[in-house]
Amino acid sequence: DAKTTQPPSMDCAEGRAANLPCNHSTISGNEYVYWYRQIHSQGPQYIIHGLKNNETNEMASLIITEDRKSSTLILPHATLRDTAVYYCIVRVVSNYQLIWGAGTKLIIKP
Amino acid sequence: EAEVAQSPRYKITEKSQAVAFWCDPISGHATLYWYRQILGQGPELLVQFQDESVVDDSQLPKDRFSAERLKGVDSTLKIQPAELGDSAMYLCASSLWPGTGETQYFGPGTRLLVL
Repeated sequence: DAKTTQPPSMDCAEGRAANLPCNHSTISGNEYVYWYRQIHSQGPQYIIHGLKNNETNEMASLIITEDRKSSTLILPHATLRDTAVYYCIVRVVSNYQLIWGAGTKLIIKP
Repeated sequence: EAEVAQSPRYKITEKSQAVAFWCDPISGHATLYWYRQILGQGPELLVQFQDESVVDDSQLPKDRFSAERLKGVDSTLKIQPAELGDSAMYLCASSLWPGTGETQYFGPGTRLLVL
C-alpha cells in the first residue's frame, strides 16, 4: 500500500505558485520522498526527490518538514502546461521500489 | 536527452488473443521495470529486472503474463491470452541501478484495449 496521502484534486491560477501537499507520517529515516507528474495519456515525468533537506531544481522546489512527516511540492509560476496528476511517493528502502497512490489532479486555470 | 522507448503506443485486441509490448531503456541503465496503470490509479509494478535477471515478479500474473530481457538491454512483456480486465496502460521505466536516491525514467507507455 502507498505510504502517502494527497488531496485528490486542486486548482491554481496561471502565474501563481502551486503548492501541493503530501502526508507521509510513517516514513522511515532513510526513505526518500519522490515527486512525479503525469500529463494526460503520457508516461510519468520525474520532478524532484529529497531525503531531509529542502531541494530545488529547474522544475520545482520540495519542502520537507523537520519531522519528515509531510512535504510540499512548489511550482513557482504555474502555467497551463502544468495541468497534470502529481504523485508523491515514498521509496521503499528494502527494494528501492516506488509504491504509487492515486495522486493529486492539479488544474491550472487561466 | 536520452529517453525510454516503447512500442506500440496503442494496441487493440480481442480477448483470448496474444499481445506483446516492447521496451528499450535508456542506454546504460541496468534496471528495467514494467508497470500496469489502470485508468484513475497510480502505476502498479509488475516486474523488475536487474540486467537480464528478474529481481521481483511477485505482482506479475504468471498464468498469462511473461516478461523477458534476454541480453539485459531491451525487454518484452507478453500477455496470452488477453482478458477484458487487462485493458490498461503498460509503462516501462529504467534506472542506472536500484540504489538509494536513484531515479526511474519512464517511457510513453502502451495503451491496451481488450475487446
